[in-house]
Amino acid sequence: DSGVTQTPKHLITATGQRVTLRCSPRSGDLSVYWYQQSLDQGLQFLIQYYNGEERAKGNILERFSAQQFPDLHSELNLSSLELGDSALYFCASSPLQGARTGELFFGEGSRLTVL
Amino acid sequence: AQSVSQHNHHVILSEAASLELGCNYSYGGTVNLFWYVQYPGQHLQLLLKYFSGDPLVKGIKGFEAEFIKSKFSFNLRKPSVQWSDTAEYFCAVTPNSGYSTLTFGKGTMLLVSP
Repeated sequence: DSGVTQTPKHLITATGQRVTLRCSPRSGDLSVYWYQQSLDQGLQFLIQYYNGEERAKGNILERFSAQQFPDLHSELNLSSLELGDSALYFCASSPLQGARTGELFFGEGSRLTVL
Repeated sequence: AQSVSQHNHHVILSEAASLELGCNYSYGGTVNLFWYVQYPGQHLQLLLKYFSGDPLVKGIKGFEAEFIKSKFSFNLRKPSVQWSDTAEYFCAVTPNSGYSTLTFGKGTMLLVSP
């Protein structure tokens, strides 16, 4: 158990819909990272928050947004869903602003299926 | 921006065989390097990491990796694999500067047959 909790574990929805994925980081970790894992693209970094502020942005689509709340949990909002958004979405946390000096602790992921 | 290339998408080995998984990165500056492992149905977890010093780093479960700066490589090795090593292995890199994030390779799925 990494200490990072993600909900829901599985989600099936239709194209055009909107979903929210939730992540609770390890106790004390201030950074939250979101990654998308698909068969063809591998693990793609989406976005990072540190203590409520956006710190880094990766290959995140405009239809996607995220935020980190004062209690440090984070939500990833995916809207106008397309078939290609079907993937495993991972959340990771770390105590630091950047990943360079430490490891990331990953949740078990939320598997999104868009039909 | 940095990038990571893992040479093999799938590797199948018999128990007791030796393992080497290739990883090359692209970045012009100093980097920190990681190998993560994802066992079936589990979360990604850190296998080993390199920041500086001895280029040969040892991780958990008998794994080791060697950083060869001239080749931009960080290959993962294990002398004798076990069935329980069946998992997906990810190489990752982050620049050793600023507030950087981890960039992962596409992963190598290792299947060890008993």
